[in-house]
Amino acid sequence: QSVLTQPPSVSGAPGQRVTISCTGSSSNIGAGYDVHWYQQLPGTAPKLLIYGNSNRPSGVPDRFSGSKSGTSASLAITGLQAEDEADYYCQSYDSSLSGSLYVFGTGTKVTVL
Amino acid sequence: EVQLVQSGAEVKKPGATVKISCKVSGYTFTDYYMHWVQQAPGKGLEWMGLVDPEDGETIYAEKFQGRVTITADTSTDTAYMELSSLRSEDTAVYYCATGVGATYVRNYFDYWGQGTLVTVSS
Repeated sequence: QSVLTQPPSVSGAPGQRVTISCTGSSSNIGAGYDVHWYQQLPGTAPKLLIYGNSNRPSGVPDRFSGSKSGTSASLAITGLQAEDEADYYCQSYDSSLSGSLYVFGTGTKVTVL
Repeated sequence: EVQLVQSGAEVKKPGATVKISCKVSGYTFTDYYMHWVQQAPGKGLEWMGLVDPEDGETIYAEKFQGRVTITADTSTDTAYMELSSLRSEDTAVYYCATGVGATYVRNYFDYWGQGTLVTVSS
């Protein structure tokens, strides 16, 4: 069961900017724990996109950026490209004893129009 | 180059047990936690548990507690995830993922295996 809420889908034309929100609570994002983002292309394993709220691993284009504020985080994709069409998940640590130490978002499908 | 190579797809009957392997290369196996993540067909990601290969300590998600066993074999740099009492809802792709971060609280999943499809069907 996901405790981080994301919009099911977002879409944009090539070149546009899209953002994906990730809403948590006081036991995860709001408690100050880092948020990380993953990209999952169809039929493949997830890939780390952003770690520690806003850091990009080597090789990830700077079109991808992350931010965090309060109990929420956001992933922005600027200059949207066809290859960005994928599912995106946020992830954080949760201290609520709800049953899972590491929680993922519900996932957002990005469609390039 | 870091690689996590998982064992192949499995078909199991309800009530059976499945054991999936994840062989690591390209980094020191004992330096990082190994996590397992479940993804049911068309669904999102769900964390199952982790093992610290250095001392074998494990932590499991409550949902899987009692049915999952995660181990690490440092002689072969291989992690294993065993799930018992399988039911149809366990049909999913299972991923191993290397947990990186200064502490386990700050862990994120830097490297992923290719995934192993487990189908539970009578």
